Amino acid sequence: GEQVEQRPPHLSVREGDSAVITCTYTDPNSYYFFWYKQEPGASLQLLMKVFSSTEINEGQGFTVLLNKKDKRLSLNLTAAHPGDSAAYFCAVHSNTGYQNFYFGKGTSLTVIP
Amino acid sequence: AQTIHQWPVAEIKAVGSPLSLGCTIKGKSSPNLYWYWQATGGTLQQLFYSITVGQVESVVQLNLSASRPKDDQFILSTEKLLLSHSGFYLCAWGLGVYAEQFFGPGTRLTVL
Repeated sequence: GEQVEQRPPHLSVREGDSAVITCTYTDPNSYYFFWYKQEPGASLQLLMKVFSSTEINEGQGFTVLLNKKDKRLSLNLTAAHPGDSAAYFCAVHSNTGYQNFYFGKGTSLTVIP
Repeated sequence: AQTIHQWPVAEIKAVGSPLSLGCTIKGKSSPNLYWYWQATGGTLQQLFYSITVGQVESVVQLNLSASRPKDDQFILSTEKLLLSHSGFYLCAWGLGVYAEQFFGPGTRLTVL
């Protein structure tokens, strides 16, 4: 099945700096990609859903880039603020894996005021 | 608006004791339902999924079972808990095969 590697596992940035989290996947048939945010002790909140037909997606304060050739997905938080401190997870839904969602191991982001 | 509720919020159980965790989704008809386990340290593992009432597919074997007795209800259970069952259990729902999944608030389980 699909294998998803997420890096870095821990990331610390200063307020106002950018933070980049990257996931690589193995299944070339993967078509749908997701980023989730998990605040301490809480559940997962969907940040963005990305289709493989769209390479750049922008949200509130972040950009998601998809490189299909390299099978790489990245989340770029621009001008991070302390409220962005949380764990971030990428998830990949493979076309060949019916009903299977594959998550990265997560990145714990700390934004220092 | 759709809501997802999990119960209990937290549970402390002894090794070898039974367990039942529940999940209810309101405001959506015939959703796909999922159970996940999150280990301390963050890794998420999909355990079960269900497309329709009475049908549950197992993704990994962890000495757990799941059932979907009603369209809006998903139950996770075991007759004998292991220490390794400790963690955060999350229920999720989605519409369609490739749809995003929305997660419930979770149940924190501690097995002693």
